[in-house]
Amino acid sequence: GQQVMQIPQYQHVQEGEDFTTYCNSSTTLSNIQWYKQRPGGHPVFLIQLVKSGEVKKQKRLTFQFGEAKKNSSLHITATQTTDVGTYFCAVPYGGSQGNLIFGKGTKLSVKP
Amino acid sequence: GAGVSQSPSNKVTEKGKDVELRCDPISGHTALYWYRQSLGQGLEFLIYFQGNSAPDKSGLPSDRFSAERTGGSVSTLTIQRTQQEDSAVYLCASSLLSQGGYGYTFGSGTRLTVV
Repeated sequence: GQQVMQIPQYQHVQEGEDFTTYCNSSTTLSNIQWYKQRPGGHPVFLIQLVKSGEVKKQKRLTFQFGEAKKNSSLHITATQTTDVGTYFCAVPYGGSQGNLIFGKGTKLSVKP
Repeated sequence: GAGVSQSPSNKVTEKGKDVELRCDPISGHTALYWYRQSLGQGLEFLIYFQGNSAPDKSGLPSDRFSAERTGGSVSTLTIQRTQQEDSAVYLCASSLLSQGGYGYTFGSGTRLTVV
């Protein structure tokens, strides 16, 4: 079935350092979504990427969709303690797009 | 409502008992999803509804799990004869449509503990 690999599993950074998490699929994706889950919280939708090579920015967050639509990345510039949490990518299951399959997530910790 | 509402927020039950978890999605959202998240783990898909029908039940772990949705709104997830391995946070999400890649809005979840 559809799977998506997300790396790294954990990332510890000093406040002010940059952070990147990657998602990779063996199949071409119609779209990819990114979510953030704060400790003790629930996942919150960040963004959806649809087009090949698409780049979207939200303040210090930059999201990219690969040219082949098989991979994506989330980059945070100059991390802050408020960025702490787990970042998940999510892709449509099979071809139905009826539901999403989530990556295992990258847990980000930020040392002040 | 303004968000996805789940109840109860916490449930402790004895092994072998049945439990019902409730999800009230955002008004107008036709798609509803159930996921399970074990401590420190990712999200495991259970089932989704488009309207009142469930096109994909493939994620339900066993026949002890069932779900229904009535009136295109509230959904209940029922776990019969609970086992300790059922302990997890059960998350419900809704979206405008199941097709077209709409973002999910998650509820705060029900933390189920089977003792």
